[in-house]
Amino acid sequence: GNSVTQMEGPVTLSEEAFLTINCTYTATGYPSLFWYVQYPGEGLQLLLKATKADDKGSNKGFEATYRKETTSFHLEKGSVQVSDSAVYFCALSDHGAGSYQLTFGKGTKLSVIP
Amino acid sequence: EAGVVQSPRYKIIEKKQPVAFWCNPISGHNTLYWYRQNLGQGPELLIRYENEEAVDDSQLPKDRFSAERLKGVDSTLKIQPAELGDSAVYLCASSLPGTPEKTQYFGPGTRLLVL
Repeated sequence: GNSVTQMEGPVTLSEEAFLTINCTYTATGYPSLFWYVQYPGEGLQLLLKATKADDKGSNKGFEATYRKETTSFHLEKGSVQVSDSAVYFCALSDHGAGSYQLTFGKGTKLSVIP
Repeated sequence: EAGVVQSPRYKIIEKKQPVAFWCNPISGHNTLYWYRQNLGQGPELLIRYENEEAVDDSQLPKDRFSAERLKGVDSTLKIQPAELGDSAVYLCASSLPGTPEKTQYFGPGTRLLVL
């Protein structure tokens, strides 16, 4: 079956530090990959996505590259801000296997301190 | 454009009581999903609708959970009777038809506490 594994948190960084949150996946078909963010007290918001190998998704200074050879989709940002404090979820949808269900990782909590 | 709307935002009930959650998807989104998110975990799909048809309900605990999407727009998820283990956040999401990547847009969720 499909699965997503992301690095466990919590992660605490100082403002302007470099961020990497690792994400690897297992899929039976041809997945699309997503990063969702959940700010305190709010619902999940799509941060970025990539639909095929070597695609790079980017948004708000965050980026992630779909690496089929390593089955990875690591999230990066060059300089984090306090406002980036949230829980980040890596997810996939395996439409190639006929399923549009999103399979999520457990989430990584990021705290950015001034 | 309005996002996915859910109500109530919070609900506290005693075990064995019934509870219902309501969702209004983004206009034009034919596909609707209900997810359950346990504390410290990612969301897990309960049921997916294409218009008014439930096309994937394999992970819905049918002994106590039910859902409906009359007229293919709003949806209601019900639990009867609720158990302590049902305490979680219930998320509704919707997506456009015909898009390969099927990006899902989530509502704010209903946080349920069963005492």
